[in-house]
Amino acid sequence: DQQVKQNSPSLSVQEGRISILNCDYTNSMFDYFLWYKKYPAEGPTFLISISSIKDKNEDGRFTVFLNKSAKHLSLHIVPSQPGDSAVYFCAASAVLSGNTPLVFGKGTRLSVIA
Amino acid sequence: EAGVTQSPTHLIKTRGQQATLRCSPISGHTSVYWYQQALGLGLQFLLWYDEGEERNRGNFPPRFSGRQFPNYSSELNVNALELEDSALYLCASSLLPGSTIYEQYFGPGTRLTVT
Repeated sequence: DQQVKQNSPSLSVQEGRISILNCDYTNSMFDYFLWYKKYPAEGPTFLISISSIKDKNEDGRFTVFLNKSAKHLSLHIVPSQPGDSAVYFCAASAVLSGNTPLVFGKGTRLSVIA
Repeated sequence: EAGVTQSPTHLIKTRGQQATLRCSPISGHTSVYWYQQALGLGLQFLLWYDEGEERNRGNFPPRFSGRQFPNYSSELNVNALELEDSALYLCASSLLPGSTIYEQYFGPGTRLTVT
């Protein structure tokens, strides 16, 4: 049973436009969410996180939105740059339940076309 | 500040052998996590160590084991290797559980190939 789902395996966006990556979760105990970016042959790199007490967190070109009632979060990248081309993983944890391990989605491959 | 380091970068073993993978966390991080990323799959949680204790393990057989040393570095051991154990094994570290900063920071991984 996949608790964290990224239903789009891939996404192509033009340089300068907005990239929107989506993630759904099923476990209502999850209260902390993270996005990671992964280049080939490298480990994932932490991008941005959000606690369930917020519905938005912004860091430069990256914004994460959380809709708890829909159990949905999204990562917005604007403007998209060719260097953003990578696999993006959504992850979730139940911190208040004792910092359970991160549960990752299968990832979305973003291609930013110049 | 040095990031999470893992060794070796690549490891080739034959079926039935044992593999040992090593990880050094970021200085000050006491929690170490191991993940497996098999081809076409996402990151699957393997093991979590904190302060030398195993805190949680994922849905993997007992031949996957590990330990954490007093300096917080960690080893992952895989016994009786099977072909499907071929994967990228990632180690991550984070500050103490319960910290407001919970992000896990990943190493570059060890690519294990079982032939």
